[in-house]
Amino acid sequence: AQSVTQLDSQVPVFEEAPVELRCNYSSSVSVYLFWYVQYPNQGLQLLLKYLSGSTLVESINGFEAEFNKSQTSFHLRKPSVHISDTAEYFCAVSDKMIQGAQKLVFGQGTRLTINP
Amino acid sequence: NAGVTQTPKFRVLKTGQSMTLLCAQDMNHEYMYWYRQDPGMGLRLIHYSVGEGTTAKGEVPDGYNVSRLKKQNFLLGLESAAPSQTSVYFCASSWGTGTGEQYFGPGTRLTVT
Repeated sequence: AQSVTQLDSQVPVFEEAPVELRCNYSSSVSVYLFWYVQYPNQGLQLLLKYLSGSTLVESINGFEAEFNKSQTSFHLRKPSVHISDTAEYFCAVSDKMIQGAQKLVFGQGTRLTINP
Repeated sequence: NAGVTQTPKFRVLKTGQSMTLLCAQDMNHEYMYWYRQDPGMGLRLIHYSVGEGTTAKGEVPDGYNVSRLKKQNFLLGLESAAPSQTSVYFCASSWGTGTGEQYFGPGTRLTVT
């Protein structure tokens, strides 16, 4: 079974600074990888995903994540953060269940706090 | 499309009371899931369903029951609530096969006193 480790539970940064949120998963077999974002008092929204092809994937709000198969990592980065990026970020990996279905295994989450 | 909706948004129960949380999706997804979210523990899968009339246990099923009588609805029941079930509950849905990408509801915050 897959497992996901988010290496930082909290990351405080100043506005306009760069940020990296780290994520490692357990298996080197072919996987689908996701980053979800949860703004305060809301549900989870998909931020970006890696399915295949280019190892660098981007979101519409300036985040990017790089799939590194040899290091089994999928770190999330943004070159310049904004106050509105304050949220909790969850890394997830797909895993097979019975009947060939996929499920998501989530990391513990990283709380990103942007200070002015 | 409303996507995934959950009712109620908030609820306070006394120990031993029962309640049902309702999840509805309008995307014709086959698969539906119930998670609980607790601080520092991410999301943990309670139960899931791979189609109408089917349910299966996830990581933390004890104390919960589920039913999927209609494809668009997935109900989570607590028969005898305990303080350990104080949590935020999220419902999600997906196509199931394929990438596994899931679509989440806004959550239900449950407090058991």
